[in-house]
Amino acid sequence: KNEVEQSPQNLTAQEGEFITINCSYSVGISALHWLQQHPGGGIVSLFMLSSGKKKHGRLIATINIQEKHSSLHITASHPRDSAVYICATYSGGGADGLTFGKGTHLIIQP
Amino acid sequence: GAGVSQSPSNKVTEKGKDVELRCDPISGHTALYWYRQSLGQGLEFLIYFQGNSAPDKSGLPSDRFSAERTGGSVSTLTIQRTQQEDSAVYLCASSLFGSRGLFFGSGTQLSVL
Repeated sequence: KNEVEQSPQNLTAQEGEFITINCSYSVGISALHWLQQHPGGGIVSLFMLSSGKKKHGRLIATINIQEKHSSLHITASHPRDSAVYICATYSGGGADGLTFGKGTHLIIQP
Repeated sequence: GAGVSQSPSNKVTEKGKDVELRCDPISGHTALYWYRQSLGQGLEFLIYFQGNSAPDKSGLPSDRFSAERTGGSVSTLTIQRTQQEDSAVYLCASSLFGSRGLFFGSGTQLSVL
């Protein structure tokens, strides 16, 4: 079964700072997902990656398949970015096919 | 539909009542997962459906929890005699088996008073 580690667990930063959240996993996967969970509990899917890099607004996600590592970056961070960010790996099926990291709790202070 | 739909988005219930949570996967998706996230915890596997195969129920925490998937499409997670510790976000995801694409619902926030 895949082991997914996220770091840091908690991150507090000032508005405008560049944010990096890391995710490492232990076995080969089909795809990696970054999810955002706001305080009310609702979950939003930010990115699905199988290689390279994706960008959406101020969010950038990268993955290095050889290193089994992904990063989520937030440029020009804003208090509304405060949320829990969760990394999830997908191996293409089966009950063990989906594995979640424990999440990174991000607080952006004005 | 365009994505995985979960309903309701929020549910408040009294201890001892039964609740049903619904997941509408993307049309044609054969694989469906249910997970839950209790306060301050990571996401916990509940149950996995794949096509017409017997579901993997190994994550269901007690016999008060059950799930079904009718016609290989919509899934309902039922919690009987709810307890306060059942309060959590319940998340559904679906995929076409063997494909890379896994799609998430937005979750149902369940609060048991």
